[in-house]
Amino acid sequence: SAVISQKPSRDICQRGTSLTIQCQVDSQVTMMFWYRQQPGQSLTLIATANQGSEATYESGFVIDKFPISRPNLTFSTLTVSNMSPEDSSIYLCSVAGQLGNTIYFGEGSWLTVV
Amino acid sequence: GQQLNQSPQSMFIQEGEDVSMNCTSSSIFNTWLWYKQDPGEGPVLLIALYKAGELTSNGRLTAQFGITRKDSFLNISASIPSDVGIYFCAGQLAGNTPLVFGKGTRLSVIA
Repeated sequence: SAVISQKPSRDICQRGTSLTIQCQVDSQVTMMFWYRQQPGQSLTLIATANQGSEATYESGFVIDKFPISRPNLTFSTLTVSNMSPEDSSIYLCSVAGQLGNTIYFGEGSWLTVV
Repeated sequence: GQQLNQSPQSMFIQEGEDVSMNCTSSSIFNTWLWYKQDPGEGPVLLIALYKAGELTSNGRLTAQFGITRKDSFLNISASIPSDVGIYFCAGQLAGNTPLVFGKGTRLSVIA
C-alpha cells in the first residue's frame, strides 16, 4: 500500500484566511483524490486531482474555493480559500493503488476555523 | 448521485460478542471496500472485495460482496476494546474512480 503524508495535520485558522494542505505519496500514483469529512459525517469527494491539468470538481465544490494543484505523480495540494467556520472539517488526501481498485487515505488535515 | 445505505448507525456491544454491519446500494458497484476510522486518524482499509459473491477474511473480520453487486456486509467476531471506532463501507464503480461512502457505523465495545 502507498504511504501518504499530509501537512499540516492540524491547524486553527482565522476566518477569511486561506490554507494550503500538502499531500505527498511515497510512490507514483495515477489517481489522487481530495475528500472532506465534516464533524460527525461521512466522507464527501471534493475533486479528483489530475496531473498536468485542472482538477475535476464534484457538484457543490468550485475551483475558486478549493484550488488544487498536482504538479507530478507523487504530490498534490488543496487550498481552502477565504475560510469560514463552515469549512471546519477534516480534509483527506487519497490515492488509488496500482490496479486502481484499492483506495488508500492519508491521516487527514484537521482544520478549525474561528 | 449514488448513495450507500449503511446500517446500523451505531452499536453498543459487550466484549467478546460478534458484530455485523451492512451496506446496500440502489446501483451496482464493482468493488466494495471497508474502512475503520479511529478518532484523530484517517480511514484505514480493512478489506477490499473485487468479485460478486467473494467472501474475504482479515483476522477476526469477514466481509462479503453481494451476488447482486448492490450490497456488502462486514462481520467482526469476538470483539475486543480496540475494535471501537467508526466503520465505513465504500463502493467503487470502476478502477481509478473515486469512492462513494456509507454514513458509517459507530461501534462501542463495553468491557
